[in-house]
Amino acid sequence: GAVVSQHPSWVICKSGTSVKIECRSLDFQATTMFWYRQFPKQSLMLMATSNEGSKATYEQGVEKDKFLINHASLTLSTLTVTSAHPEDSSFYICSAGLAGGGTGELFFGEGSRLTVL
Amino acid sequence: SQKIEQNSEALNIQEGKTATLTCNYTNYSPAYLQWYRQDPGRGPVFLLLIRENEKEKRKERLKVTFDTTLKQSLFHITASQPADSATYLCALRIGRGSTLGRLYFGRGTQLTVWP
Repeated sequence: GAVVSQHPSWVICKSGTSVKIECRSLDFQATTMFWYRQFPKQSLMLMATSNEGSKATYEQGVEKDKFLINHASLTLSTLTVTSAHPEDSSFYICSAGLAGGGTGELFFGEGSRLTVL
Repeated sequence: SQKIEQNSEALNIQEGKTATLTCNYTNYSPAYLQWYRQDPGRGPVFLLLIRENEKEKRKERLKVTFDTTLKQSLFHITASQPADSATYLCALRIGRGSTLGRLYFGRGTQLTVWP
């Protein structure tokens, strides 16, 4: 199957700083990627849909200015958590799918665990 | 409000038995439903997809059923093995159009298969 890579896999930062997470599709082009957040023992919550070359579409309740998404190329989307606070500590996962139909499955990255002190 | 519920948080079964996991949803009309496996600290891995006009899908030891009247999907693992121990997530694709779209996930059921 297609491979999606995330970096970093874990990051610890101080409150008030910004953190960037990268999501790359390694062997396919992804015009659309999705960003999810998962708290312990909770479901994956869709945060936003990242579209190559255009603005991201955010889910209701997700702050656009807090979670900046940039999808500058067909293989890279980035999520920047700005002015991070302890409540932003979570597991962030990106995903992408193969366009043009098929099974409609999404390929997920390994996730990035953010801890804000 | 819209909800996706997976029957239980945890399911423990003996090796060789069939594990049955349930996914119920309300206030959705999904175009299709998917099941994923997630291991601790890892991203989900796709297992099976079933469309709204399909009743059943199989893949090796896995079987999925989809009842749009009951708004329920059942996920079966036959001849379960300890290696099947993981959290299983159901996900719904809402809306029509391209098969590539936003998925909404249930909380997952943590399956433990003991020898």
